[in-house]
Amino acid sequence: GESVGLHLPTLSVQEGDNSIINCAYSNSASDYFIWYKQESGKGPQFIIDIRSNMDKRQGQRVTVLLNKTVKHLSLQIAATQPGDSAVYFCAENMDAGNMLTFGGGTRLMVKP
Amino acid sequence: SQTIHQWPATLVQPVGSPLSLECTVEGTSNPNLYWYRQAAGRGLQLLFYSVGIGQISSEVPQNLSASRPQDRQFILSSKKLLLSDSGFYLCAWSGIAGTLSYNEQFFGPGTRLTVL
Repeated sequence: GESVGLHLPTLSVQEGDNSIINCAYSNSASDYFIWYKQESGKGPQFIIDIRSNMDKRQGQRVTVLLNKTVKHLSLQIAATQPGDSAVYFCAENMDAGNMLTFGGGTRLMVKP
Repeated sequence: SQTIHQWPATLVQPVGSPLSLECTVEGTSNPNLYWYRQAAGRGLQLLFYSVGIGQISSEVPQNLSASRPQDRQFILSSKKLLLSDSGFYLCAWSGIAGTLSYNEQFFGPGTRLTVL
């Protein structure tokens, strides 16, 4: 997709602050969404997911919010730590298949 | 538990040389398999996916090809590498329909390819 060619936007936060990473998805028929975390030189790792019948889902220090009206997904990280520094990708999926469409990613930098 | 392996971890190849990257999955049967490429500082580009042995779908025209000779083995190849083939190559798997791992894709550690 076109997001593949874009350089990653960067979010810089102070250690201990909360982080909010946003993602706009493209397909109103998508009904499953995932956030991945990718540390430098490694493969993406699953953080949290949410289905379209939910507006909010919480994990450990992370919360995902889904606004289907405006096709917007966000990842909130509480009390951000240096180990949270990574690139974060959202991905959407239609239940008819298991293809994921990835967003362009956001680089999170945590300042000590 | 399921694991996914990729090798080599890093590779430096001259322009025009062939390429073979391997991905294997353990602990699951009949997975869906995917190859992605990631340019430095950029997002994930899906290259190929496979729903079964010998079944390969290509997402974008490439100087690359993929094969699935065994259920849990996925190979990415090229006959002649281009400079633009440099990047971070990621293999991923997902479960079959009806399983808990159907929607989520699990990624391998990646192979960093540099074409000089």
